[in-house]
Amino acid sequence: EAAVTQSPRNKVTVTGGNVTLSCRQTNSHNYMYWYRQDTGHGLRLIHYSYGAGNLQIGDVPDGYKATRTTQEDFFLLLELASPSQTSLYFCASSDAQITSQNTLYFGAGTRLSVL
Amino acid sequence: QQQVRQSPQSLTVWEGETAILNCSYEDSTFNYFPWYQQFPGEGPALLISIRSVSDKKEDGRFTIFFNKREKKLSLHITDSQPGDSATYFCAASPMGYKLTFGTGTSLLVDP
Repeated sequence: EAAVTQSPRNKVTVTGGNVTLSCRQTNSHNYMYWYRQDTGHGLRLIHYSYGAGNLQIGDVPDGYKATRTTQEDFFLLLELASPSQTSLYFCASSDAQITSQNTLYFGAGTRLSVL
Repeated sequence: QQQVRQSPQSLTVWEGETAILNCSYEDSTFNYFPWYQQFPGEGPALLISIRSVSDKKEDGRFTIFFNKREKKLSLHITDSQPGDSATYFCAASPMGYKLTFGTGTSLLVDP
């Protein structure tokens, strides 16, 4: 089964702080994704990537940067964190771009609080 | 605007009953509809999915009913068990494109 590991699991920062969320997948998947989960909004796509060095903009990208350094590693960067970015963040991977045959494999999540 | 809507927001059923979770969508290009199950403290995991060419998909106690004309689908969980207590997300995508998730339904199965 696909393994997606996120770190840290919990993070507290202050407004204006600099935060990096990390994600590693060990199943040679091409696609990796960053989502945020908020009550009343479900899961919303922030950024995604189809390979090392590639970055695609998702549905709610404002205030976030991302970088895919290797096929395994995908990072989400909040350079000036704001309280509105307090959320539960999930990383996911899949074999290819979403089609009817592909499955998203999610990590366990990072809970971020911006005070 | 939420393109994928789910109802109810929360649902409680007794053990052994059938839980019915509803989903509707706006975009007529959506043709793939997975349901993801999420337990507290974990990430979502694929539970069952259906393509728009079918009107029903069954996997054990879990069944998706799909109505393309009305742009609605539902997930039926028969003989509900306490272990089914989780949040269920309906999602949708056009073929070969990214998923759009609904807001989720929190299911509690009382023993």
